Amino acid sequence: AQKITQTQPGMFVQEKEAVTLDCTYDTSDQSYGLFWYKQPSSGEMIFLIYQGSYDEQNATEGRYSLNFQKARKSANLVISASQLGDSAMYFCAMREGYKAAGNKLTFGGGTRVLVKP
Amino acid sequence: GAVVSQHPSRVICKSGTSVKIECRSLDFQATTMFWYRQFPKQSLMLMATSNEGSKATYEQGVEKDKFLINHASLTLSTLTVTSAHPEDSSFYICSARNPGTGGAQSEKLFFGSGTQLSVL
Repeated sequence: AQKITQTQPGMFVQEKEAVTLDCTYDTSDQSYGLFWYKQPSSGEMIFLIYQGSYDEQNATEGRYSLNFQKARKSANLVISASQLGDSAMYFCAMREGYKAAGNKLTFGGGTRVLVKP
Repeated sequence: GAVVSQHPSRVICKSGTSVKIECRSLDFQATTMFWYRQFPKQSLMLMATSNEGSKATYEQGVEKDKFLINHASLTLSTLTVTSAHPEDSSFYICSARNPGTGGAQSEKLFFGSGTQLSVL
């Protein structure tokens, strides 16, 4: 079974609108971390946001927010006020176990976002 | 600015040759680095965990004799693709965590800019 599932292979979004990227995960660990990364066409991986399994509040980083629903095992990324520069591939990832054990990440299949002017 | 430097960004080589890719952590020491592989339009797949001063830990299905990893210092890990073949053509990317920042920021994995390997 896949540990990280991103069901949207691709999506269009109008500039200045908000977009939600879905991510569900599967783990039996109590301690884990969830990440979102952006990969533009250049290939670099850009960290966007992090949510710890014990964090009670949803993480926010500027225009990015993570809608963490622990019981449903979902960690959707919300990008507000989309910009043309947001066009990229977005990956959801998970670290299982306590962070001291290392930061080995498992990535989802990704969602390609294209922002239309 | 970049906190993990990866070099080269692109390499083209003949089949049968070996290629070395370097991954350096800038301004911090990384006892552990990770090497990922990404095929076109696919996700990142972890290949191995590079441990400073000890042997790398390889993921299932990754040939350790094919993909040699050396982590000789706290700021440098190298991946050598030995006797490369066309099927080894891929995007290779390394990552490291800066434990010194503390808190949630210490969770952030910094990635290199990646290396596009093309084997002819």
